[in-house]
Amino acid sequence: DIQMTQSPSTLSASVGDRVTITCRASQSISSWLAWYQQKPGKAPKLLIYKASTLESGVPSRFSGSGSETEFTLTISSLQPDDFATYYCQQYDSYAWTFGQGTKVEIK
Amino acid sequence: EVQLVESGGGLLKPGRSLRLSCTASGFTFGDYAMSWFRQAPGKGLEWVAFIRSKTYGGTTEYAASVKGRFTISRDDSKSIAYLQMNSLKTEDTAVYFCTRGTVNSRPVDYWGQGTLVTVSS
Repeated sequence: DIQMTQSPSTLSASVGDRVTITCRASQSISSWLAWYQQKPGKAPKLLIYKASTLESGVPSRFSGSGSETEFTLTISSLQPDDFATYYCQQYDSYAWTFGQGTKVEIK
Repeated sequence: EVQLVESGGGLLKPGRSLRLSCTASGFTFGDYAMSWFRQAPGKGLEWVAFIRSKTYGGTTEYAASVKGRFTISRDDSKSIAYLQMNSLKTEDTAVYFCTRGTVNSRPVDYWGQGTLVTVSS
């Protein structure tokens, strides 16, 4: 299976900060990478797919980049609603696999 | 409005079986692949199983952790996806989510609210 390594595991930041989360794949996945946001007790929400395509309705402060094995999720100016856990997921091949998650906390 | 509603979760002992259901509405169910994911308490997300639409043969894929024990299926006439779980283990304890996908280069787009399965002696 393709291993996804996400960093950092926890991130403390303030409202207005620029935040970057990194995801590395153990082998090339082209651009078949998605990013999700999850809040406690809720289902994940798709933010970005195909590495850099913003899902409809998602604020433009979220952006994704990368290809092959290195990917990033950037929040350009952190808002109070953005404090949550973020996951990357590869869907290049089965089994689909996730990074371990990044919890974005209030500093 | 697309809705996915999971049901069938509960508390059961190791070795037992359980069938989860995902009732879909708001779209033409037979046109879409469906997946199940899970999340153990306090842990990350794990993909469990996938079933293609009949157009693509209705074929299935499974995570190694459940292959041979779990079976995903679908009843397009009822707009329901199922996850039959046999020989349950304590490590299968999780919230199980049903999703719609793949859709236009997205792996999934809609998620259900999840149903909790607890396996404990």
